[in-house]
This record gives sequence, structure tokens and C-alpha cells, in this order.
Amino acid sequence: DGGITQSPKYLFRKEGQNVTLSCEQNLNHDAMYWYRQDPGQGLRLIYYSQIVNDFQKGDIAEGYSVSREKKESFPLTVTSAQKNPTAFYLCASSIDQISPLHFGNGTRLTVT
Amino acid sequence: GDSVTQMEGPVTLSEEAFLTINCTYTATGYPSLFWYVQYPGEGLQLLLKATKADDKGSNKGFEATYRKETTSFHLEKGSVQVSDSAVYFCALLYNFNKFYFGSGTKLNVKP
Repeated sequence: DGGITQSPKYLFRKEGQNVTLSCEQNLNHDAMYWYRQDPGQGLRLIYYSQIVNDFQKGDIAEGYSVSREKKESFPLTVTSAQKNPTAFYLCASSIDQISPLHFGNGTRLTVT
Repeated sequence: GDSVTQMEGPVTLSEEAFLTINCTYTATGYPSLFWYVQYPGEGLQLLLKATKADDKGSNKGFEATYRKETTSFHLEKGSVQVSDSAVYFCALLYNFNKFYFGSGTKLNVKP
């Protein structure tokens, strides 16, 4: 079955460490996205990529970095510069810029 | 700017009750509108969508009508089940790649 795989489901890190969240899709979608979800809030866009080797900052990109070297993969690195990194991170993809998003099951990151 | 406002939760209903979750939006032009559902510990799943005024999206007994005159896209279901307990997000898509999500409404359905 086609879908989006995020790993790991739970991730724990110490403050000051960088951490990379994995996102892989086999839907052959061009566009991929990273969102952050905090309790009681909507989703906030971190980064998005419309095509391989290209990506744009979203609304809350500070303290995060991404790469898009392959169509299937869009990893997100949470750096030590991110002041409040504990959150639920969701990866999504869409076939084009006007189609609905398909989401992975998320990674819950806890930084202590 | 563009935004989505949905009713605060949690909404608690008994099984077989009628459900309405209100959603209004602010946007210039003609956005596409969506409802997503999120079950505990999971990502969001597309529930239904509407791409132009007066369109009605429907899926699994849920319905929502794109009302341009009232800038609304309220979610309804005639008879909810315990399995419908989840968080529901209203969203709009405008200007390519730009999705705006509401803050989510938690629905609890009691047997």
C-alpha cells in the first residue's frame, strides 16, 4: 500500500542535541511538507518542498533544516537553535500544489 | 490574512446524536475547503473536501457544504458513533501549497 512513513514514532533527546526525523513516501508525490502540532493548536508549517533539490521556509522555520535529495524522502532536522522543540511533528505530501495533503502518522519528539 | 476559525471543543455527544462542528474562513478569492480527522496518536486523514461554492463534500456519513455567502464549511453528521471520537480540523487551501488549518475540535461520543 502507498503511504507516508515517519520514523521513529517516539523520539527523546537531550537539550543541545540536533535530531533528524525521517519521512519517506511511496506515493510518487512531488510536494512534501513538515508541520508542527502543539496541544490545542492547529498545524503550523515548518518547511515545504515542491520538487527535488528545492524547498521553502514555512511560517516557523527558525531552528529547523531540511533536505530533499530524493523525491521519496524529506528529512527534518531539529537543531539546538529551536527554543521549544518538544512537539508532535507531521510529514505530509501532495501530488501537486492544489491537491489535498496525505499525512504520515507523526513523530512525537520530547527534548529534556 | 487568510485564516480558519472553528468552534472550540471538546464536544461531547451521546451515540446517535446529531453533530455540527462550525467552521468559518477568511480568504480572498476562492479557496478549496477540507475537513480532516485525527485519531489519537495518528496523523490527519482527509475526511471530505469541496472546491467551489455550493459544493457538498461527503464521506462516511459526514457532510459539509461550501457556503460562500457566509464563508462557512460546517461539518455535520446525522447519527454519530463512538468510533467517530477524534479531533476534527477544518482547513483551506489557497494560492498553491498554502494550507491553513483551524485549531481542531475534539469530539467525544459516549455510548
